[in-house]
Amino acid sequence: AQSVTQLGSHVSVSEGALVLLRCNYSSSVPPYLFWYVQYPNQGLQLLLKYTSAATLVKGINGFEAEFKKSETSFHLTKPSAHMSDAAEYFCAVIRFDMDSSYKLIFGSGTRLLVRP
Amino acid sequence: GAGVSQSPRYKVTKRGQDVTLRCDPISSHATLYWYQQALGQGPEFLTYFNYEAQPDKSGLPSDRFSAERPEGSISTLTIQRTEQRDSAMYRCASSPGRLAAPWTDTQYFGPGTRLTVL
Repeated sequence: AQSVTQLGSHVSVSEGALVLLRCNYSSSVPPYLFWYVQYPNQGLQLLLKYTSAATLVKGINGFEAEFKKSETSFHLTKPSAHMSDAAEYFCAVIRFDMDSSYKLIFGSGTRLLVRP
Repeated sequence: GAGVSQSPRYKVTKRGQDVTLRCDPISSHATLYWYQQALGQGPEFLTYFNYEAQPDKSGLPSDRFSAERPEGSISTLTIQRTEQRDSAMYRCASSPGRLAAPWTDTQYFGPGTRLTVL
């Protein structure tokens, strides 16, 4: 069954530094992968998604992620962190069940802290 | 509406009481999802609807949990005889529900209802 693992529950970077949030997936079929961001007291918002087209996916707010099948990874990056990027980030994968139903399976999340 | 709304935003109840949570999806969206999110964890799937049909209830933790979407728009999640372990954030999301590949849709999330069971 499809699943994702996020490495690091907390990541701290300085403003202007590279942001790298790690996500590894497990799937026996081509995966559908998503990154969502959750700001305090708000709902989750989609940053970007991979649906088997281009392996480098560009999202909102300057984020991008690269699908690497050889490494089973879908890490999220941003060249230069802003204070407004401080939030919790979730990687997710679609799981398909035997009865053809599907569900979105989330990782446990990574909280990004941005230091001034 | 402009986005997904949920009510109430906060609910405190005593153990053993029933609670009903409401989700108002984006008006054009066919598919509606419910998730439970414990503190420090990612959301966990509970159930979803395509219009009023409920193809998958596999994530509901017990038969105390039920959900409805009788007219294919607003949905309610009811927890009967609440227990302390039910305390969590309950999130609703909706998506357009394209027939070809609905799993590729973006899910739009509401702000959630934080349930505390004393």
